[in-house]
Amino acid sequence: EVQLVESGGGLVQPGGSLRLSCAASGFTLSTYWMYWVRQGPGKGLEWVSRINRDGSSTDYADSVKGRFTISRDNAKNTLYLQMNSLRAEDTAVYYCARGVVWDWGQGTLVTVSS
Amino acid sequence: DVVMTQSPLSLPVTLGQPASISCRSSQSLVHSDGNTYLNWFQQRPGQSPRRLIYKVSNRDSGVPDRFSGSGSGTDFTLKISRVEAEDVGVYYCMQGTHLITFGQGTRLEIK
Repeated sequence: EVQLVESGGGLVQPGGSLRLSCAASGFTLSTYWMYWVRQGPGKGLEWVSRINRDGSSTDYADSVKGRFTISRDNAKNTLYLQMNSLRAEDTAVYYCARGVVWDWGQGTLVTVSS
Repeated sequence: DVVMTQSPLSLPVTLGQPASISCRSSQSLVHSDGNTYLNWFQQRPGQSPRRLIYKVSNRDSGVPDRFSGSGSGTDFTLKISRVEAEDVGVYYCMQGTHLITFGQGTRLEIK
């Protein structure tokens, strides 16, 4: 059974940092592009970032460029999102998703507040 | 950046009646490889999104055949032939031709 399990969310002050993880199981992570998508409270879906199969190519939404870094460890079957210089508007549930088939994890909540 | 515009944003439907959601893109979604990467997702209350339709008109495994997708270029439609109670939720179109962009979402409710 394919599973994507996000972790690492929590409450952080503005300007702070968090590192999200997405543990993949039931498939070979290295064969898929992977994505992070977020959803602010009561809002729609917003694409955040994507990474190719071996991690050599990454893309970011303008809203997070220069502050967030996506990475992956295929040997550990884990996707990451390093989030720095966090702002109140980054408050959201963060989902990881598998490319091509677009299945999603359950999400992890990040709250940026003082 | 590609902008995806959905309409309507709110869709009250009587059980058993059809429903239709429009999604328009600000530029053509035909990729250089010839494919059109337009997906439709359903997000039920309290759940993660689930893909229903990929590449305009292909239903994902397990998706009831009352859901169908159509369109081309910049103009796309998701149709539900007969709405059931379990269809309540928010529906999003998403383009994957030019990076990734989601539509604003259409909230389907039972009238």
